[in-house]
Amino acid sequence: QSALTQPASVSGSPGQSITISCTGASSNHGSFSLVSWYQQHPGKAPKLMIYEVSERPSGVSDRFSGSKSGNTASLTISGLQAEDEADYFCCSYTGRDWVFGGGTKLTVL
Amino acid sequence: EVQLVQSGAEVKKPGESLKISCKGSGYTFNSNWIGWVRQMPGKGLEWMGIIFPFDSDTRYSPSFQGRITISADNSISTVYVQWSSLKASDSAMYYCVVPAGSPSWGQGTLVIVSS
Repeated sequence: QSALTQPASVSGSPGQSITISCTGASSNHGSFSLVSWYQQHPGKAPKLMIYEVSERPSGVSDRFSGSKSGNTASLTISGLQAEDEADYFCCSYTGRDWVFGGGTKLTVL
Repeated sequence: EVQLVQSGAEVKKPGESLKISCKGSGYTFNSNWIGWVRQMPGKGLEWMGIIFPFDSDTRYSPSFQGRITISADNSISTVYVQWSSLKASDSAMYYCVVPAGSPSWGQGTLVIVSS
């Protein structure tokens, strides 16, 4: 089962915007409509940031947004803050199985 | 509010068996898929398998097929993952997850396998 492909690392300065991509093979996970994004700080459990491509859970800053185009989903973080420095994982769920991206380390310069 | 509460950390020796649990509340337990995710130290997230508690329909990731067994007890709204013979490489944090809608995660169970 192929993993979703994410860049290993991205970086940005405070106040800037960054985008993390997540690309899946067209043969798996169909419409890619159940994509979620997680933030994970060292030693902590993953925190849900975006679900169903672009929905934001209650309590998550509106600086975080999600989108998709074809078989690529994207997480955009605007107005970067130091606390955004973390690992980010994408996930695609079909209803019967999952696949995760390898993770992207975000560094806030 | 969906809550998933996992059992506590475990320290085991290679070859031993283990069963860890995840108790769900705040939602209809037996009509939602619930699964397990592994995270090895310093690594990413890996889907292990998923179960539909109503009829125990279970799907395993090919990477975990034959190595684990996922089960559920509807009477106590609890899902399990078990190993019959642990290896050192099973040392990891394990999370239970209800993936549908706004996914919900348990707090994680740390498993250490060491001689």
